[in-house]
Amino acid sequence: AQSVTQPDIHITVSEGASLELRCNYSYGATPYLFWYVQSPGQGLQLLLKYFSGDTLVQGIKGFEAEFKRSQSSFNLRKPSVHWSDAAEYFCAVAPMDSSYKLIFGSGTRLLVRP
Amino acid sequence: GAGVSQSPSNKVTEKGKDVELRCDPISGHTALYWYRQSLGQGLEFLIYFQGNSAPDKSGLPSDRFSAERTGGSVSTLTIQRTQQEDSAVYLCASSLMPGRQNTEAFFGQGTRLTVV
Repeated sequence: AQSVTQPDIHITVSEGASLELRCNYSYGATPYLFWYVQSPGQGLQLLLKYFSGDTLVQGIKGFEAEFKRSQSSFNLRKPSVHWSDAAEYFCAVAPMDSSYKLIFGSGTRLLVRP
Repeated sequence: GAGVSQSPSNKVTEKGKDVELRCDPISGHTALYWYRQSLGQGLEFLIYFQGNSAPDKSGLPSDRFSAERTGGSVSTLTIQRTQQEDSAVYLCASSLMPGRQNTEAFFGQGTRLTVV
């Protein structure tokens, strides 16, 4: 069955430290890949997306993600976390066909220590 | 409009009542999605409309849930005989060109449904 897994429910990092949020998918073929952020009281905002080409994708707010086909992963990274990055992060996938059904992982809540 | 608009933003209803949640997608967007987000949980896929194709209803949790999209634009999610476990935030999203590169889904602010 098609699925998206975010193995970490919560992650706590200190401000200024680096961050990596994990995402693994199970699909028949490489899907489109996305990371969304949901800040408290806010809607979902797209951070970045992978469609094809360069496997290292740059996004907004200093985030990047790397697609690794061999590991079926699309991990989100940031070199230096800011307190304002505290939020819920969702990985999502959509098949590379005309259906484009967008499926989300269960999310990772990021807490930032001062 | 400039973004995806959902109404109402909050809805409190009594158990057993029917509710209708509305989504106005971005003009011209052919795809429309409904998701449910329970407290502290991820986004649960409910239903997906794309153009004139038959909707993908595979995520609807029971036959109490239904949705329609009139004229390829506005969508209404209806929950009949609401139960307390239906309490959640219902999110709507739309996208321009499903399957095409550089497309993305834009989300509304959601409707928070509370069943008492």
